[in-house]
Amino acid sequence: KQEVTQIPAALSVPEGENLVLNCSFTDSAIYNLQWFRQDPGKGLTSLLLIQSSQREQTSGRLNASLDKSSGRSTLYIAASQPGDSATYLCAVRVVSDYKLSFGAGTTVTVRA
Amino acid sequence: DGGITQSPKYLFRKEGQNVTLSCEQNLNHDAMYWYRQDPGQGLRLIYYSQIVNDFQKGDIAEGYSVSREKKESFPLTVTSAQKNPTAFYLCASSIDNYEQFFGPGTRLTVL
Repeated sequence: KQEVTQIPAALSVPEGENLVLNCSFTDSAIYNLQWFRQDPGKGLTSLLLIQSSQREQTSGRLNASLDKSSGRSTLYIAASQPGDSATYLCAVRVVSDYKLSFGAGTTVTVRA
Repeated sequence: DGGITQSPKYLFRKEGQNVTLSCEQNLNHDAMYWYRQDPGQGLRLIYYSQIVNDFQKGDIAEGYSVSREKKESFPLTVTSAQKNPTAFYLCASSIDNYEQFFGPGTRLTVL
């Protein structure tokens, strides 16, 4: 069974600092990995999807890396802004299954 | 505007009552999913459907039922057999089980 862990559970940084969010997973036979953002009481917004054959994916200030052999992905958010305050979720799909296995998320607060 | 809609936004259930949550998508996606989210936990899969008239149980299907009569619609019924239904319910869809897109969610509370 795929286990997905996100540490830390919460993070508070001053505006302008770069954010580094970690995701680890136990089964390296993944099909893809997705990073989501969730605002309080809202649904999930897809940020980045990394295929198993890719090492990283970029969108604007966001960059996600994938190291399958070590079972890790990292989401980098450059020059954080108060609007980046949210919970960030990592989800992994294994090759043999259709479902996503989710981590519990990292709640980020960016202080103005 | 393409997207996924869920209704209602808030739902209250009395003991012994069945309630149905709506999920509609106009993205022409084949696959649809229902997840449950509890505080401090990751999302857990309840049911998923890859095509019309076919669906499979996820990790926590007990006490729930679904139907998939139309491509655009995947309603979830929370039955009285679900003993702890208070949670945030999220519907998602995808093309060929690729990137998943989520609706705004329904918050269900037991009175």
